[in-house]
Amino acid sequence: DAKTTQPTSMDCAEGRAANLPCNHSTISGNEYVYWYRQIHSQGPQYIIHGLKNNETNEMASLIITEDRKSSTLILPHATLRDTAVYYCIVRPSGDKLIFGTGTRLQVFP
Amino acid sequence: GAGVSQSPSNKVTEKGKDVELRCDPISGHTALYWYRQRLGQGLEFLIYFQGNSAPDKSGLPSDRFSAERTGESVSTLTIQRTQQEDSAVYLCASSLAASASYEQYFGPGTRLTVT
Repeated sequence: DAKTTQPTSMDCAEGRAANLPCNHSTISGNEYVYWYRQIHSQGPQYIIHGLKNNETNEMASLIITEDRKSSTLILPHATLRDTAVYYCIVRPSGDKLIFGTGTRLQVFP
Repeated sequence: GAGVSQSPSNKVTEKGKDVELRCDPISGHTALYWYRQRLGQGLEFLIYFQGNSAPDKSGLPSDRFSAERTGESVSTLTIQRTQQEDSAVYLCASSLAASASYEQYFGPGTRLTVT
């Protein structure tokens, strides 16, 4: 019951922006949108999260639509090291994260 | 600063033996979570602790699994009478508090192999 829908895989050229979409049409008003990524054989890495407003940090930007039913994670200048599985998670409270299948992003030279 | 650490990094055990996995959360983090990831699959929630509140054990797959946490420090996940299906990477995460506004930071995991 991940509550999110993401494309199975995406490709991106190195140096270009990677835009990863996520649909969460059943999101409730108090639920946050979280993004994590998992590079092969490592633990998940926190990227960014938001509630209503767009957010930006040193890793990425998060764009949330006004109706909050979808969002996009933007990696502004993708590098080969950004190749990973990216998880979009809707989090209703302080407890567990529910990971779906994510988007496998392949950055190519 | 130091992140979440887990030990051992790898553990091979024989079917039927008990194992203990350790997690050291980030200092000051009151919430601690355990997840499991089988090969090629997503993360499954197991249990979480928040301060002195009763832990949420809703994800534990059987009574062979248990976990303890002393105060707001180290946690130990114990698997009794291990089975081959217990083979997985066990991941620990911590956060400042169990609130949706606080992100969870993950450790590197313990890879458990049951032979």
